[in-house]
Order: sequence, then structure tokens, then C-alpha cells
Amino acid sequence: KQEVTQIPAALSVPEGENLVLNCSFTDSAIYNLQWFRQDPGKGLTSLLLIQSSQREQTSGRLNASLDKSSGRSTLYIAASQPGDSATYLCAVRPSGSYKLIFGSGTRLLVRP
Amino acid sequence: SQTIHQWPATLVQPVGSPLSLECTVEGTSNPNLYWYRQAAGRGLQLLFYSVGIGQISSEVPQNLSASRPQDRQFILSSKKLLLSDSGFYLCAWSSTENTEAFFGQGTRLTVV
Repeated sequence: KQEVTQIPAALSVPEGENLVLNCSFTDSAIYNLQWFRQDPGKGLTSLLLIQSSQREQTSGRLNASLDKSSGRSTLYIAASQPGDSATYLCAVRPSGSYKLIFGSGTRLLVRP
Repeated sequence: SQTIHQWPATLVQPVGSPLSLECTVEGTSNPNLYWYRQAAGRGLQLLFYSVGIGQISSEVPQNLSASRPQDRQFILSSKKLLLSDSGFYLCAWSSTENTEAFFGQGTRLTVV
């Protein structure tokens, strides 16, 4: 059974820092991995999608990497800003499945 | 471009009352559709998914049901709400090629 873990559960950093959020999954047989952002009381916004054949994806200040064999993904945020404060969720789609399996998220606070 | 609509945004219902939450997708055809629930302080739990009209898969035995009367419409229902049905309900869609998933803005349900 696929399980997804995100560490740390919460993170507080000063503005301008580069930071890394971690996501691990127990079964390497995945179709893709997706990173989301969730603001309080809101839905999920898709940030980056990495297919199983890819190693990384970049969008602006965000870079997500995928090491399928070790069951890990990282989300790198460069030059963090207070507007980056949110909960970040990673989700994997197991091979042959329609489902997304989510981690519990990392709550990020970027202090001005 | 594709958009997903979910309503209502908030709902307060008494125990034992019925429930109907609606989700519609625009700008695509034959999407995979999903209902998730997010309980306070917990991750997202997949409730139902559908790969076509009238095709519903249930993930968790519970007090809820789902229906897909039209290609781009997904409805979450209950005949009698329980206190434990309170939570944040999110609708999502992805293409049949199982690529990126997109979420609606969610419905905050409080059962009193």
C-alpha cells in the first residue's frame, strides 16, 4: 500500500531564505508526482507535475526533483517571500491507478 | 482553458439532513473526476472517483454517495448527515491520460 510522508510538518523561515521541502513514498511504482499549494480555507493549486520518467521540473522560483528509486521528491523554493506562506502538499499517482495519494503537508511560514 | 466549479463554498447543516454538493468542469471532455475530504489537521482522503458517466468507485465505506449524471458533473450526496461528516470537501479532475490534477475551491461543511 502506497504511503506518502512529508517532513517537516511545519517550517518557519525568514524572508529571502532558500528552503527545501521533503516528500517520501513507500512504493516506487508511480506514474507521476505532483506538488500543490493550499492557502487557508482554499482549494489546492497545482505547482509542479513530474512524470515518472523525469528527474525534475522548474517553474519560476520553484524546482521539484524526483528520485523514484529511493522514493523521494524535494520541492526547492528559492528566495522565499511572505507570499509563499501556505501548506505544501505532495501527491503520488501509483502506476495503473486513477488515484492520487497525498502526504499530510508541510505548513510553511515565511517571516518578513 | 479548463475550469472547475464547486458549490456551495460553505454549508451548515443539521444532523440527519440531506446533502448535495455539486462540481462541474468546463473546457474538457471525459475527465476523471474525484471527491476528496480533508478533516481538520489531517491529509486528503479520497472518497469517490469516476472515469465516466455512471461509473463510480468508492474508496471508503461511509454515509456518503456520489453520482455522475453528465460527463462533466459530479455530485456528492448523503441522505442523512452525521456529525462526523463535517469537513472540507474538494472536487478534482484530471484528463483520461492521467496527467495533472486540478482542484476546485472546496466546500466547508459543518454538521451541527
